[in-house]
Amino acid sequence: EAEVAQSPRYKITEKSQAVAFWCDPISGHATLYWYRQILGQGPELLVQFQDESVVDDSQLPKDRFSAERLKGVDSTLKIQPAELGDSAMYLCASSRAVQRDEQYFGPGTRLTVT
Amino acid sequence: RKEVEQDPGPFNVPEGATVAFNCTYSNSASQSFFWYRQDCRKEPKLLMSVYSSGNEDGRFTAQLNRASQYISLLIRDSKLSDSATYLCVVNKGGSYIPTFGRGTSLIVHP
Repeated sequence: EAEVAQSPRYKITEKSQAVAFWCDPISGHATLYWYRQILGQGPELLVQFQDESVVDDSQLPKDRFSAERLKGVDSTLKIQPAELGDSAMYLCASSRAVQRDEQYFGPGTRLTVT
Repeated sequence: RKEVEQDPGPFNVPEGATVAFNCTYSNSASQSFFWYRQDCRKEPKLLMSVYSSGNEDGRFTAQLNRASQYISLLIRDSKLSDSATYLCVVNKGGSYIPTFGRGTSLIVHP
């Protein structure tokens, strides 16, 4: 069964450092999502791509976060500089298309900022 | 009012019980609705889509009530393995931008 791949699975970084997460969606899935999830809350959408184009990034803190999906396949989410409040689980998901929007999630990256 | 609201629970039920959760949404133009299951410290997994006509998969039944703007999930004959957090997802009206609820915690005890 095809899966969404994410790396690293765990990341510990000091505040003010840069950190990057990688996601490889299920092959053929055009839509890719990055979420942040804090314990006890639901996932919060940070950015949604359709192929290489951004569909929505209204909740992405653009002063420190950036995301790209240059070839419309895998994607990178970057935080620079990291802050203590960024500690959370970062989840990547993909779906076949915007209108076929059943999402499949990767295992996530658990970020701890010290 | 939040876009998507869920009672966080926890709902504590004995094995074999029937339990139901609701999820309310604020945008009447929303088009896509889903239930996901999330185990502790794991990623969400798609449980089922919610269609206008309802959807049933074994012990699980999902319903959509557009007039009152909520979706529901009914679990019959609860199993210990059903213990998890159940997340609803509603896509914004006029687009397919998803919004998750905060989840409802279910604990099934012997």
